[in-house]
Amino acid sequence: ETGVTQSPTHLIKTRGQQVTLRCSSQSGHNTVSWYQQALGQGPQFIFQYYREEENGRGNFPPRFSGLQFPNYSSELNVNALELDDSALYLCASSLEPNQETQYFGPGTRLLVL
Amino acid sequence: EDQVTQSPEALRLQEGESSSLNCSYTVSGLRGLFWYRQDPGKGPEFLFTLYSAGEEKEKERLKATLTKKESFLHITAPKPEDSATYLCAVHPGSGGYNKLIFGAGTRLAVHP
Repeated sequence: ETGVTQSPTHLIKTRGQQVTLRCSSQSGHNTVSWYQQALGQGPQFIFQYYREEENGRGNFPPRFSGLQFPNYSSELNVNALELDDSALYLCASSLEPNQETQYFGPGTRLLVL
Repeated sequence: EDQVTQSPEALRLQEGESSSLNCSYTVSGLRGLFWYRQDPGKGPEFLFTLYSAGEEKEKERLKATLTKKESFLHITAPKPEDSATYLCAVHPGSGGYNKLIFGAGTRLAVHP
């Protein structure tokens, strides 16, 4: 059984650019959530995908968007990057969309210059 | 507003010196409280889920307990490999999705 995987591990972008981060969910898990973790802080919920649709969103602007594919893998897209977007982006998967333990991937470290 | 506060922010222990980490929460309706361990630059690793007041879970040197307003993570006779940031999160009752609200974590350093 494979765990949650994410790519790339590290990324450097400049302000105004766009970025795509990728996540493969744990085997058998149909729900994927994305979190942003700034240095020294706890993760903050961005959104969740279930059955290829966004079914819950945190306090993030529309320039944060995502996709989920039929194999349950997911992408996080961020447009018009800002310096404050520099963070560790975490993907988590779960068996179902509600009241289920989430298992996290290793994260993608994004640096915006 | 749903909120999680962890204390202390940082804790330094000698190997074998037992202690407890605190997680206080305010949430509209608790669906679950979660403890994770996070090593530097890595993703959180799941430790425990607690659902109702009075519940306890144990794993090796760690024991998690839950009351109506807070949770404790007790560490018995810690070893240097227990050094990490310990994160507490709550799943609020609202919404039909897995939104976790995290505290800022407690950074634990265990010295030989």
